[in-house]
Amino acid sequence: GAGVSQSPSNKVTEKGKDVELRCDPISGHTALYWYRQSLGQGLEFLIYFQGNSAPDKSGLPSDRFSAERTGGSVSTLTIQRTQQEDSAVYLCASSLLLGRSTDTQYFGPGTRLTVL
Amino acid sequence: ILNVEQSPQSLHVQEGDSTNFTCSFPSSNFYALHWYRWETAKSPEALFVMTLNGDEKKKGRISATLNTKEGYSYLYIKGSQPEDSATYLCASARGGADGLTFGKGTHLIIQP
Repeated sequence: GAGVSQSPSNKVTEKGKDVELRCDPISGHTALYWYRQSLGQGLEFLIYFQGNSAPDKSGLPSDRFSAERTGGSVSTLTIQRTQQEDSAVYLCASSLLLGRSTDTQYFGPGTRLTVL
Repeated sequence: ILNVEQSPQSLHVQEGDSTNFTCSFPSSNFYALHWYRWETAKSPEALFVMTLNGDEKKKGRISATLNTKEGYSYLYIKGSQPEDSATYLCASARGGADGLTFGKGTHLIIQP
């Protein structure tokens, strides 16, 4: 379909390894968002992109987290030296424009990350 | 209210009954309130985006109301069906380019 896709759907890794999560937004959507849901918590906003630019990285939990977006489309969220507290469902969303609070954000199915 | 809060955390409802649950959000710097339905193993699905005080939106058997002055929204489901079983999330948008601030959700289970 034409929705937001994410890969992998599940990822199990060992503590200390690096992981890369991928998001493919809806074609034509300029805004892209990353969220995560840890066990027992609500969805936590991490970072957004307007085109390829991420002006505010303050929502990233630590400097082990980084994200990039290329070609105004696919985005990757990279976690270096994973820790057990990084275990969560990572969700990506896209919307047509950035900065309009009334724009619906369309979510992907998420990547469930488990750090052993 | 500093965060978005939802109650109850979980809810069991008999099939055919109607139900409702609450979302409380900061009334200052309010721009929009979003409702989502999240079924297990699926993507969160957008239900409503609400902006105006007193606004009421409806989609089939589901409706929502908004009070921006006191900072709350109600979601109503009429004649619950098993397919309504899901986690219902609300999220506040505070304007600008920030992401949404979500509550922890209400987990709804419809019992046949």
